Amino acid sequence: QVQLQESGPGLVKPSQTLSLTCTVSGGSVSSGGYYWSYIRQHPGKGLEWMGYIYYSGRTYYNPSLKSRATISIDTSKNQCSLKLTSVTAADTAVYYCARGGTMIGDGFDMWGQGTFVIVSS
Amino acid sequence: IQMTQSPSSLSASVGDRVTITCRASQSISSFLNWYQHKPGNAPKLLIYTASTLQSGVPSRFSGSGSGTDFTLTISSLQPEDFATYYCQETYNTPAETTFGQGTKLEI
Repeated sequence: QVQLQESGPGLVKPSQTLSLTCTVSGGSVSSGGYYWSYIRQHPGKGLEWMGYIYYSGRTYYNPSLKSRATISIDTSKNQCSLKLTSVTAADTAVYYCARGGTMIGDGFDMWGQGTFVIVSS
Repeated sequence: IQMTQSPSSLSASVGDRVTITCRASQSISSFLNWYQHKPGNAPKLLIYTASTLQSGVPSRFSGSGSGTDFTLTISSLQPEDFATYYCQETYNTPAETTFGQGTKLEI
């Protein structure tokens, strides 16, 4: 059974960089057929897709993030990571990592439990 | 692509039949997924490509639609079904994907 677990600081100061890691167990980030993604949920709001990475390193990002997000993959550690620069209070959210299929129509079939990040001084 | 769900919230009782709708701002063929999200838990994929039930999901859940209009139906509500439901379009996967704003199903 594939499991995903997010980790990282729960508090980040404004203008700094938010860094999160997603550790995958029971499966490999290098296995074809899946993208690894970050999705966030602002308090009281809906889900916002942030970006995907494939094991090859190919990435796609939500244009609304205006190039602040970078997702990377470390196949040796079986992890993917998110960096979000120049954070503001508007980046306060629960951050999820999720596995998505590469076929058009595929959904996110595996998710981490999420980690709540507060942006505040 | 913009996704609009209705209603935003819904009150129902155990045993009720419930329908949630999702409308896309352009045709997305059948590339529409549904998720269930309970507070403190990870979202759960229920249905993909509009009508295919994800493995392990009870058969009381069903999805239909194509083009721009889609529905999620729960045939007989169970206590564990009270949650927030999201639709997601995957028409441009993997380049981009969008979720609806959610429908909160309350007792």
